[in-house]
Amino acid sequence: AQKITQTQPGMFVQEKEAVTLDCTYDTSDQSYGLFWYKQPSSGEMIFLIYQGSYDEQNATEGRYSLNFQKARKSANLVISASQLGDSAMYFCAMRGLSGGSYIPTFGRGTSLIVHP
Amino acid sequence: EAGVVQSPRYKIIEKKQPVAFWCNPISGHNTLYWYRQNLGQGPELLIRYENEEAVDDSQLPKDRFSAERLKGVDSTLKIQPAELGDSAVYLCASSLDPGVYTEAFFGQGTRLTVV
Repeated sequence: AQKITQTQPGMFVQEKEAVTLDCTYDTSDQSYGLFWYKQPSSGEMIFLIYQGSYDEQNATEGRYSLNFQKARKSANLVISASQLGDSAMYFCAMRGLSGGSYIPTFGRGTSLIVHP
Repeated sequence: EAGVVQSPRYKIIEKKQPVAFWCNPISGHNTLYWYRQNLGQGPELLIRYENEEAVDDSQLPKDRFSAERLKGVDSTLKIQPAELGDSAVYLCASSLDPGVYTEAFFGQGTRLTVV
């Protein structure tokens, strides 16, 4: 069975500073994908960044980077130069092969508030 | 390119009434997902379609929930009868394929309130 753990219910960061949102995962699969989504108050889940289990380099997308530590089973999201518009819920998710099917699993999310 | 479109955005119904949600995925996306998101939680998968076929519906409460994806494009999710505990946001997502390395794109969701 797959499991995603996000231990930070809420995080605060000052505008223009960097912030790290934690994510650990548990799976017995060798091949899996890790994803981060942003959910603003409007409700839409916005895809941010993805990391494959066999990728040796950490993924980066603009101000977002994923700190992937496979041995520790962690996939933390780093947001550099925070902006007020980054205030939202952030979900870590993974997709792996379970019981012959690709099951997507989400964490409980972290609420990020960026203050001026 | 248009994203995933869901309707309605909001729905308020009385318990025991039926309700239906509609989803139009991104053009060319063969995989379609329905999720339920309870307040303060992450999305939980209800059902996954590969084209017209429901390939993963183990989390769908089949006594009251049903779904269909005609012609492998649009999909509807129905609840009949609705219960108070069904109040949640229902999210639809689509992806090119179900692979582990393929990101899914979500619609804005339907917020259901059962009173």
